[in-house]
Amino acid sequence: GAVVSQHPSRVICKSGTSVKIECRSLDFQATTMFWYRQFPKQSLMLMATSNEGSKATYEQGVEKDKFLINHASLTLSTLTVTSAHPEDSSFYICSAKSGRVSEAFFGQGTRLTVV
Amino acid sequence: EDQVTQSPEALRLQEGESSSLNCSYTVSGLRGLFWYRQDPGKGPEFLFTLYSAGEEKEKERLKATLTKKESFLHITAPKPEDSATYLCAVFYTGGFKTIFGAGTRLFVKA
Repeated sequence: GAVVSQHPSRVICKSGTSVKIECRSLDFQATTMFWYRQFPKQSLMLMATSNEGSKATYEQGVEKDKFLINHASLTLSTLTVTSAHPEDSSFYICSAKSGRVSEAFFGQGTRLTVV
Repeated sequence: EDQVTQSPEALRLQEGESSSLNCSYTVSGLRGLFWYRQDPGKGPEFLFTLYSAGEEKEKERLKATLTKKESFLHITAPKPEDSATYLCAVFYTGGFKTIFGAGTRLFVKA
């Protein structure tokens, strides 16, 4: 299967600071990338969808000014959590796909802890 | 309402005890149904894509099937290393998005 790399895998930051998470498709061009948040023992909650060169589409209830998404190229998308607070602590996962219907491949996830 | 429901929520099996996981969906215009495996603290790992009713796919001890209303993931003679959460997701034209079920946590005891 295709490879999606997410970095960092774990990050601890102080309340009020910003954190950037990178998602790269290593062996294919990702026309669409997705960002999810996952709480313990729960399924994935879609936060936003981004297409290369376009503004991200955010799901209802997700603050776009807090979770900044950039999809600058066909292989890279970034999620920046701005002014992080303890309630933003979670597991964030990206996925990427090429084509409209094809399966998406996931990164390893990033465990964010805000202290 | 567009929805994906997985059952059971958790399943405990003895090694070698075959069983099935269910994924039922109510969406308009199904374009693809996906199965993933997720281990704790990791991102989901892609297993299968099914596109139309009647389609089946196999990989080692896993076999996925699809009808017009649901999909099954059959696990034959499971081993402890098959223990994981299995996620089902659908992509549909009604929303042009992919939605996930809550998953089935599978525990296989030696």
